[in-house]
Amino acid sequence: ETGVTQTPRHLVMGMTNKKSLKCEQHLGHNAMYWYKQSAKKPLELMFVYSLEERVENNSVPSRFSPECPNSSHLFLHLHTLQPEDSALYLCASSQDPGALGTGELFFGEGSRLTVL
Amino acid sequence: QQPVQSPQAVILREGEDAVINCSSSKALYSVHWYRQKHGEAPVFLMILLKGGEQKGHEKISASFNEKKQQSSLYLTASQLSYSGTYFCGTEGEGSNYKLTFGKGTLLTVNP
Repeated sequence: ETGVTQTPRHLVMGMTNKKSLKCEQHLGHNAMYWYKQSAKKPLELMFVYSLEERVENNSVPSRFSPECPNSSHLFLHLHTLQPEDSALYLCASSQDPGALGTGELFFGEGSRLTVL
Repeated sequence: QQPVQSPQAVILREGEDAVINCSSSKALYSVHWYRQKHGEAPVFLMILLKGGEQKGHEKISASFNEKKQQSSLYLTASQLSYSGTYFCGTEGEGSNYKLTFGKGTLLTVNP
């Protein structure tokens, strides 16, 4: 496998369910990101991990809980979501350039989430 | 604070040129450009850094006006494969890891 892979590609869940999105990168990068993409809205940064430490939490509600067990894997745990959380969730990775800012992002194809 | 892109949409015939603009109200360190085709992941085009040179990639190039906090993406002699939504992302001075994207510009290239 190459690049950034996300599973599942599609997920339908009720407001009381608990589910997780998984992201795996095979590029040897050490920074990983979660973005949310809703219709007619810009890509919204949710979380950033660099060297397995969370370096950015962009005011995301606590019903979204990220986990980064190692530099190749990133999870987004979901619980008690709202219908407005329905969106495409994109994972990305990059080589952490440190003080030089965000480098080239490699995106996965996303997980399409529908909350009923 | 997200950058503002213009136009929101543009329709071209194959071979025509287009310019997509991106502006920010804050001091910028970098501007990123991505293209996303329908149902696919966004794909990186280029990064422009403060104090850096104008970038180019085949027939797609971009400029970064640091004083005006603006960037423009130039697509010349457009091809059908250029169709997609173009996003600019901006990163402010001292705001590492916080790449903020605009709403995108939908580019359609027709035969």
